[in-house]
Amino acid sequence: KNEVEQSPQNLTAQEGEFITINCSYSVGISALHWLQQHPGGGIVSLFMLSSGKKKHGRLIATINIQEKHSSLHITASHPRDSAVYICAVPNNNDMRFGAGTRLTVKP
Amino acid sequence: KAGVTQTPRYLIKTRGQQVTLSCSPISGHRSVSWYQQTPGQGLQFLFEYFSETQRNKGNFPGRFSGRQFSNSRSEMNVSTLELGDSALYLCASSTGAAGNTIYFGEGSWLTVV
Repeated sequence: KNEVEQSPQNLTAQEGEFITINCSYSVGISALHWLQQHPGGGIVSLFMLSSGKKKHGRLIATINIQEKHSSLHITASHPRDSAVYICAVPNNNDMRFGAGTRLTVKP
Repeated sequence: KAGVTQTPRYLIKTRGQQVTLSCSPISGHRSVSWYQQTPGQGLQFLFEYFSETQRNKGNFPGRFSGRQFSNSRSEMNVSTLELGDSALYLCASSTGAAGNTIYFGEGSWLTVV
């Protein structure tokens, strides 16, 4: 079992739909990161959270430390949201990554 | 302010050669970390440098090494390249304080032939 598991692996949505991507982890953490990677490789850090909920524009991230689970939500999805979303968990001296969720939003 | 800059963006090397990749962090950031991304293994942590010292290290062989200079710029080196080293190598910088946002560069695409 991977230490950081994401679901779904692939997600296709119509523009305007509400999107949820999930991340479950088995390692102890101090904070969890949500990253966005567009074709071409560049990665943007969307959120870093250690408790509760954070919101930035149409993006919302939540985390439940007791259940070791985090979700990334996108409201009113848009084709420009198409990317790979990765959750990352610091573990001791390194960082563990989920395999990523490839999101495609169709107009 | 300028973002994290990685050079070169693309390079092709032959098996057995060595390669050096460079990363210039955001001004004021003292932590630089390196990651390898491959289709099969996904993103994996290589190492992190803070104030010229390696602070954390992932599970990679000794062929992978790095260093950080007094201006926080960092280099990573891979010696005796193998085909499996073909990957996107990403660096990220942060202030180094726990809980601070990390900022990624665009990456260096390495192909080993």
